[in-house]
Amino acid sequence: LAKTTQPISMDSYEGQEVNITCSHNNIATNDYITWYQQFPSQGPRFIIQGYKTKVTNEVASLFIPADRKSSTLSLPRVSLSDTAVYYCLVVLTGGGNKLTFGTGTQLKVEL
Amino acid sequence: ETGVTQTPRHLVMGMTNKKSLKCEQHLGHNAMYWYKQSAKKPLELMFVYNFKEQTENNSVPSRFSPECPNSSHLFLHLHTLQPEDSALYLCASSQDGADHQPQHFGDGTRLSIL
Repeated sequence: LAKTTQPISMDSYEGQEVNITCSHNNIATNDYITWYQQFPSQGPRFIIQGYKTKVTNEVASLFIPADRKSSTLSLPRVSLSDTAVYYCLVVLTGGGNKLTFGTGTQLKVEL
Repeated sequence: ETGVTQTPRHLVMGMTNKKSLKCEQHLGHNAMYWYKQSAKKPLELMFVYNFKEQTENNSVPSRFSPECPNSSHLFLHLHTLQPEDSALYLCASSQDGADHQPQHFGDGTRLSIL
């Protein structure tokens, strides 16, 4: 069964850079990789999206290797308010293309 | 304000009840989605509607019945649910049904089945 896996949790301190990796071995050839942030009692919020190499916006960077079988969300200089669950979203092949969220990473940022 | 509004925010129902979840989006999008999020599990895509037509049903039990009367509204009709159906149900919308389109989520309905 094709899956999209992430570390269950990560801890960090304010001001540090945090890198969260998502593994997606069966990613569809022509689809993007998208990352979302979710706070308790809220729906996920779009952070960043990319297809290959590197994408950067005002809140994060996304690194995608040439084989696209993984991706890394990079959050520069995290703050307490970045404490949340982070999900990757990809289209997986195998039994038909399927839009699949990753298992999610709980990031905890402390002082 | 996310642009996607879900009601009710919380719902408690018995296994024999019939209820409906409502989702409304004010973003001018043409695709809408229902997801199930159980505790400690990733989001599971249930249904996709694109221009009011259902384009995806991920083997969802028939006790869940979606309805999309127009591109701005999406309903999930519930009947004869089971305790394992207790979860957060999230609605989302996107510009169209293309998989790469960013999705905008509501804050969900927390459903508890007694």
